[in-house]
Amino acid sequence: GQQLNQSPQSMFIQEGEDVSMNCTSSSIFNTWLWYKQDPGEGPVLLIALYKAGELTSNGRLTAQFGITRKDSFLNISASIPSDVGIYFCAGPPGSSNTGKLIFGQGTTLQVKP
Amino acid sequence: DAGVTQSPTHLIKTRGQQVTLRCSPKSGHDTVSWYQQALGQGPQFIFQYYEEEERQRGNFPDRFSGHQFPNYSSELNVNALLLGDSALYLCASRRGGAGQPQHFGDGTRLSIL
Repeated sequence: GQQLNQSPQSMFIQEGEDVSMNCTSSSIFNTWLWYKQDPGEGPVLLIALYKAGELTSNGRLTAQFGITRKDSFLNISASIPSDVGIYFCAGPPGSSNTGKLIFGQGTTLQVKP
Repeated sequence: DAGVTQSPTHLIKTRGQQVTLRCSPKSGHDTVSWYQQALGQGPQFIFQYYEEEERQRGNFPDRFSGHQFPNYSSELNVNALLLGDSALYLCASRRGGAGQPQHFGDGTRLSIL
């Protein structure tokens, strides 16, 4: 089945640094979603991307929908301690736009004050 | 505006027992999906309900079943519990229609002894 591969698996950075993570697939996705999950909570939607090449920002977060439709990138600028958490990419498989989402395995971010 | 709410927050069961988890979708949402999240993994899609019917199903055995009520709330039932069913069970809701993003609850932590 379709899989999403996230890298890096984990990151440990200094407060104020910029962060970049990505998500790749062997098959095409028509929607890319980025979620953040804090301990003991459910994933929270950060950014949704619907068009190849699309670049969308949400505050200090910027995400891009890869031109090949097989990858997406999430950047966080000037990281702060509350950015700590697990970041997941996700998308509906194939050409479907229904409820099923496939998730990557997550990138764990730790920020040192 | 309440988001997705799930109950109970935590649950402990023993092997062979049955469990029912509950979910109330975000106001205005009519589609509910359930996910299983094992420790250190991304969420895995179980199934989706819309108009009180199961519309899509992931790779989960028949021991996993569900229901959606006229008020759009939903239940997840798991029979003959196995140790491997220990996980965080997440409910997500969205407004029906293409491209609508899913919003997650904080989950039910199920532990099987």
